[in-house]
Amino acid sequence: RKEVEQDPGPFNVPEGATVAFNCTYSNSASQSFFWYRQDCRKEPKLLMSVYSSGNEDGRFTAQLNRASQYISLLIRDSKLSDSATYLCVVRDRTSSGAGSYQLTFGKGTKLSVIP
Amino acid sequence: NAGVTQTPKFQVLKTGQSMTLQCAQDMNHEYMSWYRQDPGMGLRLIHYSVGAGITDQGEVPNGYNVSRSTTEDFPLRLLSAAPSQTSVYFCASSYSGGSRYNSPLHFGNGTRLTVT
Repeated sequence: RKEVEQDPGPFNVPEGATVAFNCTYSNSASQSFFWYRQDCRKEPKLLMSVYSSGNEDGRFTAQLNRASQYISLLIRDSKLSDSATYLCVVRDRTSSGAGSYQLTFGKGTKLSVIP
Repeated sequence: NAGVTQTPKFQVLKTGQSMTLQCAQDMNHEYMSWYRQDPGMGLRLIHYSVGAGITDQGEVPNGYNVSRSTTEDFPLRLLSAAPSQTSVYFCASSYSGGSRYNSPLHFGNGTRLTVT
């Protein structure tokens, strides 16, 4: 069974703080990596993909270390609107046919940004 | 642009009843999937499909059936509901394969199912 493990949280941080989330995955052959955001009682939504060279989107920076099978997400200058659960997601090919894959979700880390 | 549409939003069933959760997408996505989300367990894959006529099992398929007769629709059937199937169910779709391997999943709004 493929595993994706995340910091258990919750993280309670003041506005303006920098916060980092970590994630490890068990399958060294995993294909793609993502961070999703889920607000309370809502569906998950893609926050950003994670590329091998690392990538940044505004206040968010994602890093991937394939050798250590480790993914991270850094949020700078936290806003109240960043309060949500952050899900680490790993994509693996399957043998069901061309384009077949499975996504495995971590259990998520809850972030609360406090005024 | 409707995206992924799930119905119903809420459902209460008695043990042993059957029902179908509907899922439709209008983005011409090849890949469709069903997840359940339970407190402390995260999202777990039930079944998925890479195209019409093709389905496969995920992590927790027991008690659920699916079919994919068209690209747009991917219904999830509970043949005999059990209290252990009380959960929030999400349908999701994406492009798949080739240069679109990084294509994100688009989720429906979810169905909150209670089995008594």
